[in-house]
Amino acid sequence: AAGVIQSPRHLIKEKRETATLKCYPIPRHDTVYWYQQGPGQDPQFLISFYEKMQSDKGSIPDRFSAQQFSDYHSELNMSSLELGDSALYFCASSRGDPSTDTQYFGPGTRLTVL
Amino acid sequence: DAKTTQPTSMDCAEGRAANLPCNHSTISGNEYVYWYRQIHSQGPQYIIHGLKNNETNEMASLIITEDRKSSTLILPHATLRDTAVYYCIVRMDSSYKLIFGSGTRLLVRP
Repeated sequence: AAGVIQSPRHLIKEKRETATLKCYPIPRHDTVYWYQQGPGQDPQFLISFYEKMQSDKGSIPDRFSAQQFSDYHSELNMSSLELGDSALYFCASSRGDPSTDTQYFGPGTRLTVL
Repeated sequence: DAKTTQPTSMDCAEGRAANLPCNHSTISGNEYVYWYRQIHSQGPQYIIHGLKNNETNEMASLIITEDRKSSTLILPHATLRDTAVYYCIVRMDSSYKLIFGSGTRLLVRP
C-alpha cells in the first residue's frame, strides 16, 4: 500500500539559511499534519491542513510557515534556521473527518543545522 | 499536555505476550484511545485505536476498562522487531493533533 512520502530524507543547512520540506500524502487523503521531534524528545505537533485550509496549530515558530496545495501535498518552509531546529520532521496524513480519522506517518526528514 | 500515563520502560521475552498499560483517568466520553509505536527514529506507526469496546487487529489487541480510565495494549507474541517506544494517546475531540507523551520503551529479549 502507498505510504506518505517525504522529501528530502536528509537535509543539512547552515544557520540563518532557509529550508523547505515536502510531504506527499497517501492517495485520497485530504489532511496533512506536521510534527517535529528533537533529539531524545517525543514528537510535537506543529500544524495541520484540511482541504487546503489550516485546521490546527501547535507550537510552530513564526519563522516557520506551511501550506497545502491543490494536489494535497504540503510544504513546510523554515527560515532563519537556528541550531535548535535540528530535528526529525514527520508528516502524517489522514482521510475524512480529521477529528476521528487515523493519521499515518511518513518516514521523516532529518534536518541538521550547522 | 499529554492526558495519559505510561510506564517508562518494560521488557518481555520473545514469543510471550507483551501487555502495555496506559492510564487516562480524565478521558471524555467522545475521546478515542490511540496507540502508536516508534522504532528508532522511524515515523510513528499506527497500531490500533478504540472508543469503549475492545478492539483487535492483525497487530494487537486493545482492552479498555469499562470506566474507560485505563487501557492495555496486548502484543500476543512479541518478536525482537517489536522493540520500540509505544505511545498511548487520547485524541481530543475538538482537536486534530496527536499529543505524544513520553511513551513506554518496550524491550523484547531473545
